[in-house]
Amino acid sequence: GAGVSQSPSNKVTEKGKDVELRCDPISGHTALYWYRQSLGQGLEFLIYFQGNSAPDKSGLPSDRFSAERTGGSVSTLTIQRTQQEDSAVYLCASSFALSYEQYFGPGTRLTVT
Amino acid sequence: GENVEQHPSTLSVQEGDSAVIKCTYSDSASNYFPWYKQELGKRPQLIIDIRSNVGEKKDQRIAVTLNKTAKHFSLHITETQPEDSAVYFCAASGSNFGNEKLTFGTGTRLTIIP
Repeated sequence: GAGVSQSPSNKVTEKGKDVELRCDPISGHTALYWYRQSLGQGLEFLIYFQGNSAPDKSGLPSDRFSAERTGGSVSTLTIQRTQQEDSAVYLCASSFALSYEQYFGPGTRLTVT
Repeated sequence: GENVEQHPSTLSVQEGDSAVIKCTYSDSASNYFPWYKQELGKRPQLIIDIRSNVGEKKDQRIAVTLNKTAKHFSLHITETQPEDSAVYFCAASGSNFGNEKLTFGTGTRLTIIP
């Protein structure tokens, strides 16, 4: 079946602009996660959704970052007033309820110039 | 919070030899330990995982071992092949019911020398 999809695959934006990144989880997966991967680094947790609610937002680095999920499916990660340090690959993962295994999307490479 | 350390950061082995990557974690409540393989420009792929109620798990040429007392776990790849070349990440999670964030190590770049 279809895996996790993300769009856009690449995004170049100017410093100070807002960006929206989209994640489409695997059908039936109620849990959705956002991670960030900086160049040559490991994955850093940002936020976790169970259905439409976000019980863990502890990884969001500042109030410029926000995310929402509607209909228990698609999620959008919004970064306001982007800074150069926001440049990274933003990865989304999803899993079934009460399941440990997380499956990743291909990521969105964000470059802030 | 949880902290996961991974070693080595780079590893080169001759084709056919074995590769071992080690991780340590800090939170004794962690009970789920997956390994992901990430090829250049691709998404991380789950290759094997282990839960705290077992000490070892094998899947063909890949095995993972867990020592809860010492809080470390390792990935073992035997009979390495060129397609094993990738970056490997370990991770840890502490929920009893799944659906919790993963804390990742910083990755090991494995190169298989033909």
